[in-house]
Amino acid sequence: GDSVTQMEGPVTLSEEAFLTINCTYTATGYPSLFWYVQYPGEGLQLLLKATKADDKGSNKGFEATYRKETTSFHLEKGSVQVSDSAVYFCALSDLGSARQLTFGSGTQLTVLP
Amino acid sequence: DVKVTQSSRYLVKRTGEKVFLECVQDMDHENMFWYRQDPGLGLRLIYFSYDVKMKEKGDIPEGYSVSREKKERFSLILESASTNQTSMYLCASRAGTSNQPQHFGDGTRLSIL
Repeated sequence: GDSVTQMEGPVTLSEEAFLTINCTYTATGYPSLFWYVQYPGEGLQLLLKATKADDKGSNKGFEATYRKETTSFHLEKGSVQVSDSAVYFCALSDLGSARQLTFGSGTQLTVLP
Repeated sequence: DVKVTQSSRYLVKRTGEKVFLECVQDMDHENMFWYRQDPGLGLRLIYFSYDVKMKEKGDIPEGYSVSREKKERFSLILESASTNQTSMYLCASRAGTSNQPQHFGDGTRLSIL
């Protein structure tokens, strides 16, 4: 079945540091890939998405490229801010499976001033 | 922007009570979902609906039921609440095809005493 593996957290960075959160996936079909962010006490917000190989999703300074050859969708940001502190979830949606998203376990990011 | 509204942010109920969690979306989405989120267990799908009056079980439907009488509204029902149903409940909606993202509400933190 489908699965998503994220790097273990928590991750603690200083403000303006470079961020990478690794995400790899396995899927039987042709998945779409997503990054969601969850701020404390809130629901999940879509951060970015990519629907086919080599697509780059970007939003709020975050980027991720859909790499089919390495089955990866790593999240990156060049300079993090304290306000980026949150939990980040990688997820996939397989066109052959209409029912749900498959989520990674989430990565807690804390950015220190 | 898609708006998914959950009726309560926080809810406290007693064991044995019948509990209703309401979710409304404003984008005419066909698909709606209920998840619960627990530390260490991630997000788990309880039920989903792909059309009015249609529903399908997710991974953990036991102890829950759902109702979708109108396209914009998806209700989760705890028939007889138990303490192990204390959790964060997240509702989501999605347009027709699975390569579209799910959009989440802010969540309901439910405590069963």
